[in-house]
Amino acid sequence: LAKTTQPISMDSYEGQEVNITCSHNNIATNDYITWYQQFPSQGPRFIIQGYKTKVTNEVASLFIPADRKSSTLSLPRVSLSDTAVYYCLVGPRGSSASKIIFGSGTRLSIRP
Amino acid sequence: EPEVTQTPSHQVTQMGQEVILRCVPISNHLYFYWYRQILGQKVEFLVSFYNNEISEKSEIFDDQFSVERPDGSNFTLKIRSTKLEDSAMYFCASRGGGEYNEQFFGPGTRLTVL
Repeated sequence: LAKTTQPISMDSYEGQEVNITCSHNNIATNDYITWYQQFPSQGPRFIIQGYKTKVTNEVASLFIPADRKSSTLSLPRVSLSDTAVYYCLVGPRGSSASKIIFGSGTRLSIRP
Repeated sequence: EPEVTQTPSHQVTQMGQEVILRCVPISNHLYFYWYRQILGQKVEFLVSFYNNEISEKSEIFDDQFSVERPDGSNFTLKIRSTKLEDSAMYFCASRGGGEYNEQFFGPGTRLTVL
């Protein structure tokens, strides 16, 4: 599994757009980029997954440049409830993909 | 929306006692997992389970741990003789088959070993 590097923590304010960047220089051709979110005392929750360019859903957008060595999770107009730890994961899809190896993630704190 | 459920939400036990943590995965899922998170630390993989057998386990998952899917709906994690260091949040997760590998996590069981 490709190693990922992301900021340990970030602070922002309600209503702002937050971008969390993850580096994954050794990403393999068949790897996908996946982001999970974990609120305090809860299990992680899948947010978004992508392979290249841009993916958007009702929660976030994921921007992946052509070289795929990094990716950016974008949270539009954050609220206090977006305070959580965000994990960037890189690995293959499909039935052979099994366990998730979580890093330390990015602890996002949103202030009023 | 279907979800993974776990019981109990909090379990307190004495060191050396056996505990069973229970999970009900999403009904049509095929892959099942247990993870744990010691307070303030990373989420750690324990074991994955597919087709009624363990497919992978971590070094944490030693002989004191076992998993079972006794009735086609429940998925349990048993710790035979708990240690103080087993105190953690234990998360169950499940995944459907096919290409899409999103794992759905339960709310967790907080295990406190005294």
